[in-house]
Amino acid sequence: DTEVTQTPKHLVMGMTNKKSLKCEQHMGHRAMYWYKQKAKKPPELMFVYSYEKLSINESVPSRFSPECPNSSLLNLHLHALQPEDSALYLCASGEGVGEQFFGPGTRLTVL
Amino acid sequence: GQSLEQPSEVTAVEGAIVQINCTYQTSGFYGLSWYQQHDGGAPTFLSYNALDGLEETGRFSSFLSRSDSYGYLLLQELQMKDSASYFCAVFSGNTGKLIFGQGTTLQVKP
Repeated sequence: DTEVTQTPKHLVMGMTNKKSLKCEQHMGHRAMYWYKQKAKKPPELMFVYSYEKLSINESVPSRFSPECPNSSLLNLHLHALQPEDSALYLCASGEGVGEQFFGPGTRLTVL
Repeated sequence: GQSLEQPSEVTAVEGAIVQINCTYQTSGFYGLSWYQQHDGGAPTFLSYNALDGLEETGRFSSFLSRSDSYGYLLLQELQMKDSASYFCAVFSGNTGKLIFGQGTTLQVKP
């Protein structure tokens, strides 16, 4: 299985809602990533998990809370988001150096 | 600091060859990667160069010169489906991060 899956594909939420994004990979990769991407811009790293431990937090606001329940799963919990947080949220997995496999992303709209 | 530069847009016709250049500045350089992203889609890995030279994968080739901090992606026999954004990215061993360039939008015309 050479695929990274993400759910949901689309999400619309209000600023007071709590929601979660989910990501799964079955390639045995040691590292998993969350990226945020705005239109016409490159992916912007948010968090890196290595061997299920948070290794990089790119000074992301606390309204984004990552979680890695096991080596195959990665969640991103969302709470009290702002309209400017609307973006494509991408999950990726890899062995760290060269190649990262991206999921299809969750397109998030915050009203 | 770390930075990558690539052209913002490139236009070419079907069947032609196009080269997308990337210059980078980073500490702890490991290698240069290329990703393709179609509108509405996710980035897809194309190639990774850790050593100097040319790597060929079908119609796509990628080149790296570590001494010049420079690389390029070469697309041959262009097809309409190659219209997409192409990102170069470097992995920094110092930071453990994959850093993306701003992306090059390739438009293939009939």
